[in-house]
Amino acid sequence: KQEVTQIPAALSVPEGENLVLNCSFTDSAIYNLQWFRQDPGKGLTSLLLIQSSQREQTSGRLNASLDKSSGRSTLYIAASQPGDSATYLCAVYGDYTGANSKLTFGKGITLSVRP
Amino acid sequence: GAVVSQHPSRVICKSGTSVKIECRSLDFQATTMFWYRQFPKKSLMLMATSNEGSKATYEQGVEKDKFLINHASLTLSTLTVTSAHPEDSSFYICSARGSGISYEQYFGPGTRLTVT
Repeated sequence: KQEVTQIPAALSVPEGENLVLNCSFTDSAIYNLQWFRQDPGKGLTSLLLIQSSQREQTSGRLNASLDKSSGRSTLYIAASQPGDSATYLCAVYGDYTGANSKLTFGKGITLSVRP
Repeated sequence: GAVVSQHPSRVICKSGTSVKIECRSLDFQATTMFWYRQFPKKSLMLMATSNEGSKATYEQGVEKDKFLINHASLTLSTLTVTSAHPEDSSFYICSARGSGISYEQYFGPGTRLTVT
């Protein structure tokens, strides 16, 4: 059974700092990996999706990398801003056989960026 | 990106009543929709997966008679919580996926259900 771990559960950094959020998963046979952002009381916003054949994806100040063989992904946030404060969730598709592929989520990292 | 809406965003109901939550894909056809439940400070728990026109596939431990899911069209899925109890109070989130090869899922804004 796929398990996704995100450590630490919470992180507080000063504004402007570059930071790395880590995600690990137990079964390397994944189809893709997604990073999401969730604000309190809100749904999920997809940040980046990395296919299993890819090593990284970039969007603005965000860069996500994937090392499938070691079961790890990182989300790099450059020059953090108070508006980046949210919970960041990592999720993997563990079944690539078709229509009922499922996302397995980590518990998320709650990030607080101090002005 | 693709947009998924949910209605209502918040609902309060009395114990024993039923509540329906709608999930719509606004600008794409969702061949598959998913319903999740999220407890405070916990990760999302997949409740069921539904393909348009087919019966939903429920995850282990989820009561299919209590959580009725209908996916009658490519843009609409509904979750009905029947005979709601206070322990059903939670944040329910739907997501939708099109037929593209990326299998990217798009999430709705969630519905906060409170059962009194």
